[in-house]
Amino acid sequence: DAGVIQSPRHEVTEMGQEVTLRCKLISGHNSLFWYRQTMMRGLELLIYFNNNVPIDDSGMPEDRFSAKMPNASFSTLKIQPSEPRDSAVYFCASSSPAGEGSGANVLTFGAGSRLTVL
Amino acid sequence: EDKVVQSPLSLVVHEGDTVTLNCSYEVTNFRSLLWYKQEKKAPTFLFMLTSSGIEKKSGRLSSILDKKELFSILNITATQTGDSAIYLCAASGSARQLTFGSGTQLTVLP
Repeated sequence: DAGVIQSPRHEVTEMGQEVTLRCKLISGHNSLFWYRQTMMRGLELLIYFNNNVPIDDSGMPEDRFSAKMPNASFSTLKIQPSEPRDSAVYFCASSSPAGEGSGANVLTFGAGSRLTVL
Repeated sequence: EDKVVQSPLSLVVHEGDTVTLNCSYEVTNFRSLLWYKQEKKAPTFLFMLTSSGIEKKSGRLSSILDKKELFSILNITATQTGDSAIYLCAASGSARQLTFGSGTQLTVLP
């Protein structure tokens, strides 16, 4: 299994431009999580999906951010328009179905997309 | 609001030293606590703890959970330079999603 695959690995863009980050889940995983990591705030959960349905998007900073999961294996995170304060590493993570008796979703992370907005 | 606090924020030791990393949590309907290691790229899973007092061990790393006092520790014995990384603690609550701490940056000098 290739693991969680994210693209692009690095993106440098100018303020105001649209940014689209992509993520391919591990086959068989049904939950997907988008995180943002910065030095100041650490790892923050932006949104997560379960079986393609957004469950909690309370971490999405503002309307400039949107995420979609058009099918069971793929998701996008879009920022439009981008701002310098959006500069961060964006991680996608997936997990397998968790039964009622299990403790948590053990997440497998992608390698991250490092975004720099000038 | 769920909260996870790690200490120290950073730690510098020499090879062979033993380190203890701390994690305290306040999570609604706590289910489990997880430790991850992050080197240059993605966090990788180390341990999941759900019961108090039961030590999880993997080589030189071990971890234990105290659900009464709401904390966990991660011990690394005989540290090596390859242990240098950010160690992240995360707690799972009612929704089974994870709240992460800010991490402990460990640097092991030769």
